[in-house]
Amino acid sequence: GAGVSQSPSNKVTEKGKDVELRCDPISGHTALYWYRQSLGQGLEFLIYFQGNSAPDKSGLPSDRFSAERTGGSVSTLTIQRTQQEDSAVYLCASSPGTGNGYTFGSGTRLTVV
Amino acid sequence: DQQVKQNSPSLSVQEGRISILNCDYTNSMFDYFLWYKKYPAEGPTFLISISSIKDKNEDGRFTVFLNKSAKHLSLHIVPSQPGDSAVYFCAASAVISSGSARQLTFGSGTQLTVLP
Repeated sequence: GAGVSQSPSNKVTEKGKDVELRCDPISGHTALYWYRQSLGQGLEFLIYFQGNSAPDKSGLPSDRFSAERTGGSVSTLTIQRTQQEDSAVYLCASSPGTGNGYTFGSGTRLTVV
Repeated sequence: DQQVKQNSPSLSVQEGRISILNCDYTNSMFDYFLWYKKYPAEGPTFLISISSIKDKNEDGRFTVFLNKSAKHLSLHIVPSQPGDSAVYFCAASAVISSGSARQLTFGSGTQLTVLP
C-alpha cells in the first residue's frame, strides 16, 4: 500500500493478557519506529529499527514490551501481561532511512480493562 | 525530563486570525525541527520543518520561526481556517550518525480550535 498500515485499529483486552500489534511500513522504508500516546500526553518513543542494525530499545517502558521486525519489513509490538497503564494509542512510523521524513500509520488504540 | 515542551495544551482563535503555537527545547544538540498535525483517529502528518541553520521557513499559510539562542520555535498559521483545528506536535531531532534515520523527540501537543 501507499501508506503505513497498522492493525488492529482498536483492541480491547483484559488485564494480564498478551497483545500483538502489527505495523506494515511503506515499501522500501528501512527505518521503522514505534511510539505511543497516552491520554493527554505527547508521543513517547518506544523502539526504532534501522535496516539490519540492532534495534534501539531504549524507550521500551518495561520488559513486558518487545518488538521484532521480520525480513526488514513488517513489525510486531508485543505487550505481555497487559496492565491498565498500557492503555494508549500505539503509533508506528517509517522513513526512507535518511533525512527526517517520517510517515505515521493511523495507530492502534489499546484499551486494557 | 522533557526535552521538547509545548506549554499550552490548547489554543482557540477566530477564523481569519493568526494562530501562534509555541515550542521550547532543552537539548542544544537538536538541529532539525518539525511540526506535525494530528486529527482524531488518524496518525500525525508532517506539516513543516526547519533546519537549525535557518531562522524562518514558510510554506503557504504556515511559517515556522526558530530562535536558537532562546531554544524556542513557533508555528504561525495565517489566516487560520476551521479545517486547521487539530492537535499540533512539535518535534526535534539530532544527528545520530551520518546517513542514518533520525529519532524524533515530540512535545505533548497543542489542541488548536479555529472558531468559524
